[in-house]
Amino acid sequence: GNSVTQMEGPVTLSEEAFLTINCTYTATGYPSLFWYVQYPGEGLQLLLKATKADDKGSNKGFEATYRKETTSFHLEKGSVQVSDSAVYFCALSSASKIIFGSGTRLSIRP
Amino acid sequence: DTEVTQTPKHLVMGMTNKKSLKCEQHMGHRAMYWYKQKAKKPPELMFVYSYEKLSINESVPSRFSPECPNSSLLNLHLHALQPEDSALYLCASSQDHRDNQPQHFGDGTRLSIL
Repeated sequence: GNSVTQMEGPVTLSEEAFLTINCTYTATGYPSLFWYVQYPGEGLQLLLKATKADDKGSNKGFEATYRKETTSFHLEKGSVQVSDSAVYFCALSSASKIIFGSGTRLSIRP
Repeated sequence: DTEVTQTPKHLVMGMTNKKSLKCEQHMGHRAMYWYKQKAKKPPELMFVYSYEKLSINESVPSRFSPECPNSSLLNLHLHALQPEDSALYLCASSQDHRDNQPQHFGDGTRLSIL
């Protein structure tokens, strides 16, 4: 079946550090891939998406590239801010369902 | 501010109570979803409505009863819940049920069962 695996957290970084959160997936066919972010006390917000191989999604300085050959969709940001502290979910969409990874909690120190 | 509005934000109820969660969107979306999220876990899909018809029920116990009165509203009726049903209940919507459409989430209803 379809599944998403993302790196275990928590991840703690200093402000302005480089961020990578790894995400790999298993899926039949050609799913769409997403990164969602959840700030404390809130619902999930779409951060970025990619719908086909080699697509790069980007938003608010975050980027992720849909790599079919490595079945990966790693999230990167060149310089994190304290306000980026949140839980990040990698997800794929298939057959009208979204399948989420387990989530990675990110904490940024000032 | 989210474009999907959920009420109430918090709900405490006893195991014999009947209550309803409400969700509203005015983006013209034709697919709507209910999710359950436990602490430090990802959301788990419960129900999917497509064009106001129930299209997916993820084997949810009958004490949860969804309803879609029109294309903008989605309700979740609760009756005889158990303590393990305490969780954050999230509503989401998308333009339609196609896989490349992202889902837009509300901020959820935090439900506590006494």
